[in-house]
Amino acid sequence: DADVTQTPRNRITKTGKRIMLECSQTKGHDRMYWYRQDPGLGLRLIYYSFDVKDINKGEISDGYSVSRQAQAKFSLSLESAIPNQTALYFCATSDTDYQPQHFGDGTRLSIL
Amino acid sequence: GESVGLHLPTLSVQEGDNSIINCAYSNSASDYFIWYKQESGKGPQFIIDIRSNMDKRQGQRVTVLLNKTVKHLSLQIAATQPGDSAVYFCAENIIGTYKYIFGTGTRLKVLA
Repeated sequence: DADVTQTPRNRITKTGKRIMLECSQTKGHDRMYWYRQDPGLGLRLIYYSFDVKDINKGEISDGYSVSRQAQAKFSLSLESAIPNQTALYFCATSDTDYQPQHFGDGTRLSIL
Repeated sequence: GESVGLHLPTLSVQEGDNSIINCAYSNSASDYFIWYKQESGKGPQFIIDIRSNMDKRQGQRVTVLLNKTVKHLSLQIAATQPGDSAVYFCAENIIGTYKYIFGTGTRLKVLA
């Protein structure tokens, strides 16, 4: 969905490095989410935010942090990357209830 | 890359035939359901959704059926085309909560 843009698209880095993944959206949605996707598993929620002043942990938030800089921007940080954080990361937005989430094209992150 | 799609159940159909992809959802309290399509290297793309007060909803070439008695959701694709080849997964949500539960997906292969 071109309305949700993630950068970078690919990143290879080393254990212990700090990494930031960025997400911006032009859909005007208040709700934003970060997920990770691993082979054979469904998307798992890392963090979510329902407006600029609202940040909440998801089911797998350990080792991650987020910042909601504006309605349109939601970034995910790995403070000290470890190999088991190698995954596909997706940002998503949604509007109100009974509306689907809209996803970016993801960041493929490899930690060596 | 195809790393997300490893070890998924696969449905192979002839071009022009109808496809049926099934999903067993987990929570009887879920009241909103979504089907997504994910192509290689891309984020999940919304296909169709349905609320729990309905048992069928039709879109362009796609139909979603909901059976709340057995917690089952299906996606029917009419006249399957090569461009339909992708991983399909369902998601469920309890309205008013942040939590979307995603299935692991089914790979659809369209044979020429």
